[in-house]
Amino acid sequence: DVKVTQSSRYLVKRTGEKVFLECVQDMDHENMFWYRQDPGLGLRLIYFSYDVKMKEKGDIPEGYSVSREKKERFSLILESASTNQTSMYLCASRLAGGVGRAKNIQYFGAGTRLSVL
Amino acid sequence: KQEVTQIPAALSVPEGENLVLNCSFTDSAIYNLQWFRQDPGKGLTSLLLIQSSQREQTSGRLNASLDKSSGRSTLYIAASQPGDSATYLCAVNQAGTALIFGKGTTLSVSS
Repeated sequence: DVKVTQSSRYLVKRTGEKVFLECVQDMDHENMFWYRQDPGLGLRLIYFSYDVKMKEKGDIPEGYSVSREKKERFSLILESASTNQTSMYLCASRLAGGVGRAKNIQYFGAGTRLSVL
Repeated sequence: KQEVTQIPAALSVPEGENLVLNCSFTDSAIYNLQWFRQDPGKGLTSLLLIQSSQREQTSGRLNASLDKSSGRSTLYIAASQPGDSATYLCAVNQAGTALIFGKGTTLSVSS
């Protein structure tokens, strides 16, 4: 069975802290994604990665960075957490983009609810 | 820029009813369209993926249709059950990009 695991379900951090959100997939997927989800705004893409050491900015990359040193792990980093980064963070992966159903089905982790105080 | 809209934002139905959720998108140049389910406080689960060359896809009581030229998709749920209560999201996949999501329809099925 496909599995995307986010390291924490709930996190509480203080303003100014450096925060690491970890995501691991066990399916040898090439593509991985970080989204944040807020009421009324839906899911918004922060960053995505097509392969190891490759990353692309999404719609709202400001205040975030990412790291993908190994294929199975994609980390989201909040360099200096702020209260407006309080949100639900969702990680996802897919085999690869392009043509073909199996390549494009996207699998999500359970989410990390982050509160920044 | 691609925009995805879902109507209605919320829907309440009695158990056993057949229902339709709507999704529209502004740019018809898509690779595929996916429907997801999200339970409160949880991640998303993929329900159906329709390739751009397909008209519909079925899984159990769920049937999704795609009319690419008009920029519309529908998710049909037959004989709804309380366990179907969740938020349903549609998302489109365009070349070289990640999924673009609608804001979802929250469904409540009462017994």
